[in-house]
Amino acid sequence: DAGVTQSPTHLIKTRGQQVTLRCSPKSGHDTVSWYQQALGQGPQFIFQYYEEEERQRGNFPDRFSGHQFPNYSSELNVNALLLGDSALYLCASSQGTEQFFGPGTRLTVL
Amino acid sequence: GIQVEQSPPDLILQEGANSTLRCNFSDSVNNLQWFHQNPWGQLINLFYIPSGTKQNGRLSATTVATERYSLLYISSSQTTDSGVYFCAVEQMDSSYKLIFGSGTRLLVRP
Repeated sequence: DAGVTQSPTHLIKTRGQQVTLRCSPKSGHDTVSWYQQALGQGPQFIFQYYEEEERQRGNFPDRFSGHQFPNYSSELNVNALLLGDSALYLCASSQGTEQFFGPGTRLTVL
Repeated sequence: GIQVEQSPPDLILQEGANSTLRCNFSDSVNNLQWFHQNPWGQLINLFYIPSGTKQNGRLSATTVATERYSLLYISSSQTTDSGVYFCAVEQMDSSYKLIFGSGTRLLVRP
């Protein structure tokens, strides 16, 4: 049983560019959440998708957007990248309340 | 919003020693999870424990929901236990998002 998978593993972008990160949930899970983890801090909630709609959103600007597909996989898009967007981006899936995390995508913005 | 505080922030142990990590939270919760983040950034689920006591090998956890705290016990520590331990809670308002503490950084020396 595959766990949560994310791609790519690492990504380097320059300021102003746009990026798309991908996540496939654990088998049987229908909910996907995205988190941003800056160096030395705990993960911060970005948003959650359920039934292909954004169910809840954290305190992140509109530059952060997402999508969930009918197979429950999800994308996180970030537009107009800033240096401060450099972080580890974590995807979590759930069926119920317990969340399981993927290995993350490390984004570096130069 | 709910506040999550973890202590101690840093902990250094000799291999074989026992330790207790604490998580205090400021409001009632639906969900409480303990994670171990390895050096590559992967968040590994340790316990899903909104209340009660659970044990898994050398690790055990207790959550006293009425007093708003949880404890993670590590016995006979090993060097592979090193990393950052996070407590995360979901507030009891169907908020769906996990709020993380700032973590306890554990180093186990051989």
